Amino acid sequence: GNSVTQMEGPVTLSEEAFLTINCTYTATGYPSLFWYVQYPGEGLQLLLKATKADDKGSNKGFEATYRKETTSFHLEKGSVQVSDSAVYFCALSAMTTDSWGKLQFGAGTQVVVTP
Amino acid sequence: DGGITQSPKYLFRKEGQNVTLSCEQNLNHDAMYWYRQDPGQGLRLIYYSQIVNDFQKGDIAEGYSVSREKKESFPLTVTSAQKNPTAFYLCASRSRPRGGGRDEQFFGPGTRLTVL
Repeated sequence: GNSVTQMEGPVTLSEEAFLTINCTYTATGYPSLFWYVQYPGEGLQLLLKATKADDKGSNKGFEATYRKETTSFHLEKGSVQVSDSAVYFCALSAMTTDSWGKLQFGAGTQVVVTP
Repeated sequence: DGGITQSPKYLFRKEGQNVTLSCEQNLNHDAMYWYRQDPGQGLRLIYYSQIVNDFQKGDIAEGYSVSREKKESFPLTVTSAQKNPTAFYLCASRSRPRGGGRDEQFFGPGTRLTVL
């Protein structure tokens, strides 16, 4: 079945540091890939997505590239801020006609940015 | 503004009681979903609905029930049969793309249920 594996947290780093969160997946066919962010006590917000190989999703300084050859979708940001402290979820949606967009989530990675 | 609302934000329940969590969306989405979130475990799918009057079990449906009588509403009932109901519950919706899963899900703010 489909699965998503992402690096365990918490990831603690200083403001303006470079952030990478690794995400790899297992899926049949060609899934769509997503990164969601969850701030404390809130629901999930879509951060970025990619729907085919070599697509790069980007938003708010975050980027992730859909790498089919390595089945990866790593999240990166060049200079983090304290406001980026949150839990980040990698997810995939199977590209089948009857899947109805069910999302398979990774376990989440907590990021803590200190001033 | 279009979006998903969940109520209440916090809910307390005594053991042995059923409780219903509300989820409403005004995005005109066909598909709706319920997830359970426990610390360190990500999100697990409880139930989902593709269209009105139809729903399917997700990965952890035991002890839960749902209904989908209106397109905009998808309430979740946590029954007394759910052995460990304390968790954060998230509702989501999605438009109906034909032939695949390119579109994202939109999430509500969540309901935190605590069993006393």
